[in-house]
Amino acid sequence: RKEVEQDPGPFNVPEGATVAFNCTYSNSASQSFFWYRQDCRKEPKLLMSVYSSGNEDGRFTAQLNRASQYISLLIRDSKLSDSATYLCVVPCPSGSARQLTFGSGTQLTVLP
Amino acid sequence: DTEVTQTPKHLVMGMTNKKSLKCEQHMGHRAMYWYKQKAKKPPELMFVYSYEKLSINESVPSRFSPECPNSSLLNLHLHALQPEDSALYLCASSQDWGAWETQYFGPGTRLLVL
Repeated sequence: RKEVEQDPGPFNVPEGATVAFNCTYSNSASQSFFWYRQDCRKEPKLLMSVYSSGNEDGRFTAQLNRASQYISLLIRDSKLSDSATYLCVVPCPSGSARQLTFGSGTQLTVLP
Repeated sequence: DTEVTQTPKHLVMGMTNKKSLKCEQHMGHRAMYWYKQKAKKPPELMFVYSYEKLSINESVPSRFSPECPNSSLLNLHLHALQPEDSALYLCASSQDWGAWETQYFGPGTRLLVL
């Protein structure tokens, strides 16, 4: 099983739609998680951090299910500007690694 | 100001050239990172510097040589690269080196090796 797995998509949704992405992780010791968005040919930018059961920021909601080891990202009322690749990022907490493990990303295109 | 800057934005080099990538942050962050990202793939960690000391080298070939002259600067020296090294090179920084620290990325240097 990969350390972090995401559905690569692409997800093509109309403007105004609600869309959800899932991300599963293998390390049950992971305590916090991040969603980054990356626009085409740009750098990843932090979208949300998830430290407990979930987090909400405007149209974006991230939820954490520790029992099933997955994190979801829900986008409501999609905008054209939401088109990007969404990277699920799981810190590797053990040992001296202390690094981030990136999922392969989910591509979202919001259509007019 | 959560800004990491990188220069140059684009770089084309031959396999015999020597070049350097530069990264700078003025957020007082004590951890800095180099990542390599190929098209349609996630970033891959190359190096981690913590308090100006190299903490992680992810089995990167010696043709890539990192340097941290001070707490705000991070360089990546390139020599005798191969065409397969063409990629987007991202620098990132975080307050400290920890699994739960938010990393802030620079805009990257897009490298093409001919």
